[in-house]
Amino acid sequence: EVQLVESGGTLVQPGGSLRLSCSASGFTFSSYIMHWVRQAPGKGLEYVSTISNDGGSTYHGDSVKGRFTISRDNSKNTLYLQMSSLRAEDTAVYYCVLSHSSGVDYWGRGTLVTVSS
Amino acid sequence: DIQMTQSPSSLSASVGDRVTITCRASQGISDYLAWYQQKPGKVPKLLIYAASTLQSGVPSRFSGSASGTTYTLTISSLQPEDVATYYCQKYDAAPRTFGQGTKLDIK
Repeated sequence: EVQLVESGGTLVQPGGSLRLSCSASGFTFSSYIMHWVRQAPGKGLEYVSTISNDGGSTYHGDSVKGRFTISRDNSKNTLYLQMSSLRAEDTAVYYCVLSHSSGVDYWGRGTLVTVSS
Repeated sequence: DIQMTQSPSSLSASVGDRVTITCRASQGISDYLAWYQQKPGKVPKLLIYAASTLQSGVPSRFSGSASGTTYTLTISSLQPEDVATYYCQKYDAAPRTFGQGTKLDIK
């Protein structure tokens, strides 16, 4: 059974940093592209970042470019999102997502990041 | 970047009605288009991928179609359990942009 478990969400002050983790199991982690998606309270889904299966290629959405960095450790079956220069508008539930064009689609339960003083 | 414009933003319909939600891509995405359903407090659920392929386990009243860069999600006969917010998402390449969402409820 595929499981994606996010952790690391907490209350952080504006301008602060935080690292989210996503522990993956039940599939060959190193074979799949992985994503982060977020959802602000009461708002829609927003794409955040993508990383290739070997970690050699990454993409970040415009709203987080230059502030967030996606990475992975295939030896630990773990996906990361390093977030810095956090703003109030980064407050959201952050989801770790396995999504393949063949219809494979799994989401973690999410971890809440709150940016507030 | 390719923009995804979803409409309407909200919709109210009666049980048994046929419901249509539209998503328009600003450029071609080769039908790399998915539809998600999200119920309050729940994780999004994949309904349709490749514009028209029904995900396993999804009721057949849901269908997807494409015409050029316009994509449509149709619920043939609305059921009470279909109350949710629906999102389209392109996945031809990063960024995998979502539409703004359509909140569907029962009239």
